[in-house]
Amino acid sequence: NAGVTQTPKFQVLKTGQSMTLQCAQDMNHEYMSWYRQDPGMGLRLIHYSVGAGITDQGEVPNGYNVSRSTTEDFPLRLLSAAPSQTSVYFCASSPNYNEQFFGPGTRLTVL
Amino acid sequence: AQSVTQLDSQVPVFEEAPVELRCNYSSSVSVYLFWYVQYPNQGLQLLLKYLSGSTLVESINGFEAEFNKSQTSFHLRKPSVHISDTAEYFCAVSNKAAGNKLTFGGGTRVLVKP
Repeated sequence: NAGVTQTPKFQVLKTGQSMTLQCAQDMNHEYMSWYRQDPGMGLRLIHYSVGAGITDQGEVPNGYNVSRSTTEDFPLRLLSAAPSQTSVYFCASSPNYNEQFFGPGTRLTVL
Repeated sequence: AQSVTQLDSQVPVFEEAPVELRCNYSSSVSVYLFWYVQYPNQGLQLLLKYLSGSTLVESINGFEAEFNKSQTSFHLRKPSVHISDTAEYFCAVSNKAAGNKLTFGGGTRVLVKP
């Protein structure tokens, strides 16, 4: 199993550009989530999904959209990038409340 | 609402010395507690977890953590650290009502010196 994969690993955007961060898992987990990691703030939940077709907002959802059309994929869209969205983004999946499996992360810089 | 406080942002420690990373949480309901480790330029990996039962939980690489309900703490300890333990450590909490939503502390960066 590849586990949780994320693409791209690095991305530089200009303010106002849009992009999609990709996340896929091959463990058949129902629960998937997106976090952003900023120094000294730990990880903060952006959006999450409890199954295909079901998504909900986390702690810091503004400026981000998600969709979940399949169990495997959970893309995160930045509609109009802002410098405040410069961060490291992690996708995670989980079969239950027991443990979350994290991807390797995407480092995003917005100029 | 639930929250997690990691009291130390950085902990320098010499190789083979003991280390303790402090974690306190706040929640109005029963909690599940986790410690994750992040090695440089990598994602997070689960180190250990408390779901129920014995309040002392151990990892395969010598770390242990004790759930203390009265003090709302879940401190992480290792009696003798190695250079390879250099990493950032995150304490996290969830509960049944919150589903799988994890709330993380700010992280503690451990630097093991030779």
